[in-house]
Amino acid sequence: EADIYQTPRYLVIGTGKKITLECSQTMGHDKMYWYQQDPGMELHLIHYSYGVNSTEKGDLSSESTVSRIRTEHFPLTLESARPSHTSQYLCASSVTGTGYNTEAFFGQGTRLTVV
Amino acid sequence: GNSVTQMEGPVTLSEEAFLTINCTYTATGYPSLFWYVQYPGEGLQLLLKATKADDKGSNKGFEATYRKETTSFHLEKGSVQVSDSAVYFCALRTGGFKTIFGAGTRLFVKA
Repeated sequence: EADIYQTPRYLVIGTGKKITLECSQTMGHDKMYWYQQDPGMELHLIHYSYGVNSTEKGDLSSESTVSRIRTEHFPLTLESARPSHTSQYLCASSVTGTGYNTEAFFGQGTRLTVV
Repeated sequence: GNSVTQMEGPVTLSEEAFLTINCTYTATGYPSLFWYVQYPGEGLQLLLKATKADDKGSNKGFEATYRKETTSFHLEKGSVQVSDSAVYFCALRTGGFKTIFGAGTRLFVKA
């Protein structure tokens, strides 16, 4: 069973509020990822990190920002939430050093609704 | 570039029916291939994987064979159950850090 946790599971928030979605993993993985999943189910990579103090933007442009100050923690922040940010956000991690045959482990997701 | 194409859903089957979800890929080099499953309200879980040509991944009655000649990794199960209702994602990973996902196929199994 994967040891990667996201909080909160569900969040309803008003437009203009600042929010932080938390993601933590206890597996010591150096690579971490944030995906946005639209209602049609497709996954879009919005941020990733190779390790501490490393963050990069993903394939889908996002107004969110991330930080990686500790190996186990990869929070995602929206400075001013808008209804267009309503989505499911999935955090994932993977190990390095053993090549590309290792899978990604996913958290349970945060379903964000901005009203 | 690298990409994954999987059959569109939803797929609706009766319990004990045979399941096939098609997946084909385009990749440079020799990717590893994965099937993930997402149950309602949950994140993705790895279902099975194969890391080289002709490998067969299997788990919980599901199977998929890495076919390099047809660049395919079709998911099969001989007898589905209602509890198999979920969204299934085919994915690949090459030498980079990213996992490339297909668009997902929703499966409904009726009792």
